[in-house]
Amino acid sequence: DAGITQSPRYKITETGRQVTLMCHQTWSHSYMFWYRQDLGHGLRLIYYSAAADITDKGEVPDGYVVSRSKTENFPLTLESATRSQTSVYFCASSEANTEAFFGQGTRLTVV
Amino acid sequence: DQQVKQNSPSLSVQEGRISILNCDYTNSMFDYFLWYKKYPAEGPTFLISISSIKDKNEDGRFTVFLNKSAKHLSLHIVPSQPGDSAVYFCAAKNTGTASKLTFGTGTRLQVTL
Repeated sequence: DAGITQSPRYKITETGRQVTLMCHQTWSHSYMFWYRQDLGHGLRLIYYSAAADITDKGEVPDGYVVSRSKTENFPLTLESATRSQTSVYFCASSEANTEAFFGQGTRLTVV
Repeated sequence: DQQVKQNSPSLSVQEGRISILNCDYTNSMFDYFLWYKKYPAEGPTFLISISSIKDKNEDGRFTVFLNKSAKHLSLHIVPSQPGDSAVYFCAAKNTGTASKLTFGTGTRLQVTL
């Protein structure tokens, strides 16, 4: 399917566990982004990538790790999950200076 | 420090009337502005955008106005329809740096019959 897909859609994990959220896009967009959505904060940028093997921190990067070995994939890893990382996570992609296209989101609950 | 602000968490409008959603920004380096619409359990979808070289952009029922001196933009929906009920996010970016978007906190629009 064309577009941007995230997996899993829902995840429950325990505090201290490592968890990876997957993001895959079929447009070959240069840029990819990870945002988290929390009440009262809107969408906040965690990490972004301008191309394969190029990543940079966003507004709230602490506790997260990303990689981008291939243009189409941009996984987000929580190395040791905390309750404060309970959120809805959105992946997005875009070309330079165009609108970003978002995935359907992953709802993560850390218990 | 919130660089993009949507001061109205919610708005209720009757079907057929105009909906006006507002957004303010503080970063004078922002030169491209977008509105996204979000339904529950879905990702945000792009609605309309405007470059800082313009003061108005129209697409069907949706019009975005930009007032650079006031650092303010607004989204007008005319006429409002029940299917427009969603959360609307304002976003901004500096096209010279990495294409990353800074979002506001969102306004929940409810269009009533």
